Amino acid sequence: DAMVIQNPRYQVTQFGKPVTLSCSQTLNHNVMYWYQQKSSQAPKLLFHYYDKDFNNEADTPDNFQSRRPNTSFCFLDIRSPGLGDAAMYLCATSRENRARAFFGQGTRLTVV
Amino acid sequence: KNEVEQSPQNLTAQEGEFITINCSYSVGISALHWLQQHPGGGIVSLFMLSSGKKKHGRLIATINIQEKHSSLHITASHPRDSAVYICAVDSGADGLTFGKGTHLIIQP
Repeated sequence: DAMVIQNPRYQVTQFGKPVTLSCSQTLNHNVMYWYQQKSSQAPKLLFHYYDKDFNNEADTPDNFQSRRPNTSFCFLDIRSPGLGDAAMYLCATSRENRARAFFGQGTRLTVV
Repeated sequence: KNEVEQSPQNLTAQEGEFITINCSYSVGISALHWLQQHPGGGIVSLFMLSSGKKKHGRLIATINIQEKHSSLHITASHPRDSAVYICAVDSGADGLTFGKGTHLIIQP
C-alpha cells in the first residue's frame, strides 16, 4: 500500500493560474519535504516541515508556498505558475531529520 | 555545499551482466541513500547507508566513508532493472543533496 500519496499524478495549468499540489502520508512521520525535479536534473529541495516548523530554502522563489495543516497532509501552492515551473514535484517524508526518506510517485506539472 | 557526482551518466548493458554505479561526494555525510526512479517519476528508496555494505536481493550497496565514495551493484541484471538510479547524501543540512542520476537500460 502506498505510504506517501501525491495527487494529482499529472496536472496541467495555465500560465499564471494558481495551482495546488497535494501530498499525504500514512507513516506519521515528522518531516515532510517538497522537491522540484526538472527534466534530466537532480531533484532540488524547495522546503520542508519538521512537524509544524517551516523551513524554506534560500533560493526557493516566493512564487512557491506550502501549507501543512496536520501531520498527514502537506500542500504545495504555486501562486502564478510560469513556463519554467513545469517539472516533476516530489514529496517525501522521514521520521526524523537524517532518517530514511520515503517518496511519493510525484506530480508532473505542465504549464500551458 | 556537498557536491555529488555519479558515474556513469548512462549505461546500457545486456541482461545478466553485473552492473556497477558509482557515487562520490565532497563533504562528510551522516548517511547516503540509493534511490530508484522509474519512467513515471516515482522514487523508491533502495538503501540508506552510513558505513559498510548492505544487500537486498540482487542489489548490493557499499560505502567507503574515508574515500567519500559509494557503489551500487546489480547482479544478474534484468530488463526490469531499467531505471534511473540516484545517489543522495545527507550531510547535516536539512534535506538531501542528489546526484544527477545514472540512466540504466538492460536489454534482453
